[in-house]
Amino acid sequence: SAVISQKPSRDICQRGTSLTIQCQVDSQVTMMFWYRQQPGQSLTLIATANQGSEATYESGFVIDKFPISRPNLTFSTLTVSNMSPEDSSIYLCSVVRDTGNEQFFGPGTRLTVL
Amino acid sequence: DAKTTQPPSMDCAEGRAANLPCNHSTISGNEYVYWYRQIHSQGPQYIIHGLKNNETNEMASLIITEDRKSSTLILPHATLRDTAVYYCIVRAFYNTDKLIFGTGTRLQVFP
Repeated sequence: SAVISQKPSRDICQRGTSLTIQCQVDSQVTMMFWYRQQPGQSLTLIATANQGSEATYESGFVIDKFPISRPNLTFSTLTVSNMSPEDSSIYLCSVVRDTGNEQFFGPGTRLTVL
Repeated sequence: DAKTTQPPSMDCAEGRAANLPCNHSTISGNEYVYWYRQIHSQGPQYIIHGLKNNETNEMASLIITEDRKSSTLILPHATLRDTAVYYCIVRAFYNTDKLIFGTGTRLQVFP
């Protein structure tokens, strides 16, 4: 398994501001992902965080709104920019230690935008 | 990746087996069936996965039909702690490891 921590665990933000969420893993992993879970909904993949290069975004998500960094094999950040109430969600990072194996999820960051 | 269809909700009495069905009629030969669950306010947890043979681990059993168009996750002795949303996901093993979640089945285990 993998031990994954996310900071902050929750936050309440004003519209128009930005929040950066951190994801830290206890050991090196090959793949890191960011998901969003809107209230009462399933998980939606935002992007794959690529180490040392630009993230790969899914349809409907853009870098200007959700910039992602992954400077090494154990750490990634997701920024939610210019927030609106529609961005209120749980944001989760997940990792795969070796390609083809099971994916482990962090505890999530609960974001509320007023 | 193929789409999956699951019932939105199910109930199960504590101590009884919970059988959660999943339809994946468009699955292709190189796609695996994965099951995850999400207990309220937590990140999803991996349960089990399989290709065509039945699989069992300490958490559950996975039964895949011979034509692979459907599968059933079995929790042999459900407990109250098994109350969660269960997701059935089909993924090609050579793919980029990303998971596409459907709507899942909300399992309620009652005393």
